[in-house]
Amino acid sequence: QLQLQESGPGLAKPSETLSLTCTVSGGSISRSIYYWGWIRQPPGKGLEWIGSIYYSGSTDYNPSLKSRVTISVDPSKNQFSLKLSSVTAADTAVYYCARDGRTPYSSRGGWFDPWGQGTLVTVSS
Amino acid sequence: DIQMTQSPSSLSASVGDRVTITCRASQSISSYLNWYQQKPGKAPNLLIYAASSLQSGVPSRFSGSGSGTDFTLTISSLQPEDFATYYCQQTYSTPHFGQGTKLEIK
Repeated sequence: QLQLQESGPGLAKPSETLSLTCTVSGGSISRSIYYWGWIRQPPGKGLEWIGSIYYSGSTDYNPSLKSRVTISVDPSKNQFSLKLSSVTAADTAVYYCARDGRTPYSSRGGWFDPWGQGTLVTVSS
Repeated sequence: DIQMTQSPSSLSASVGDRVTITCRASQSISSYLNWYQQKPGKAPNLLIYAASSLQSGVPSRFSGSGSGTDFTLTISSLQPEDFATYYCQQTYSTPHFGQGTKLEIK
């Protein structure tokens, strides 16, 4: 059974870089035809897709965050990571990782399943 | 950007009721529409993908329909565990979620 788990600091300072890692178990990132994604949810608000990555390193980012986001993958550790730079209080959110059902063969379609449990990151000095 | 608008934003219903939630896209998205359920403090859970396909393990009282710009999620007979927030999501272009519909107990 595929499982995902987010890890990283729960606190980030304004203007600094937020860094999180997602560890995948029960399946291999490098043997998957799917992308792997990050989604966030500010407290009490809705869901926002941040970006996704294929095991080869090919990425797709939300245009609204693209200038600040870097997603990378380490197939040898079965992990993928998120870096969000120049954070502000508006970046305070629960950050989720999930398998993104899109493939390199089609930019459309797909769905997020399964999801990690999520990790709260607070941006505060 | 394709915007997704859900209605209603909140809904009160009773156990056993039939409930319908609507999601409208700002332009045609074919059938690239998914539905998720989220309970407080938990990650979203995929219910319906590609507008009308039931995800494995999801009870058959959940169903989805629609194509183009108008979509619906229907719960045929509400159960106590169904009270949650529901989100639609389009994957025709940059993945984007609706604002959510909170389903509460009447």
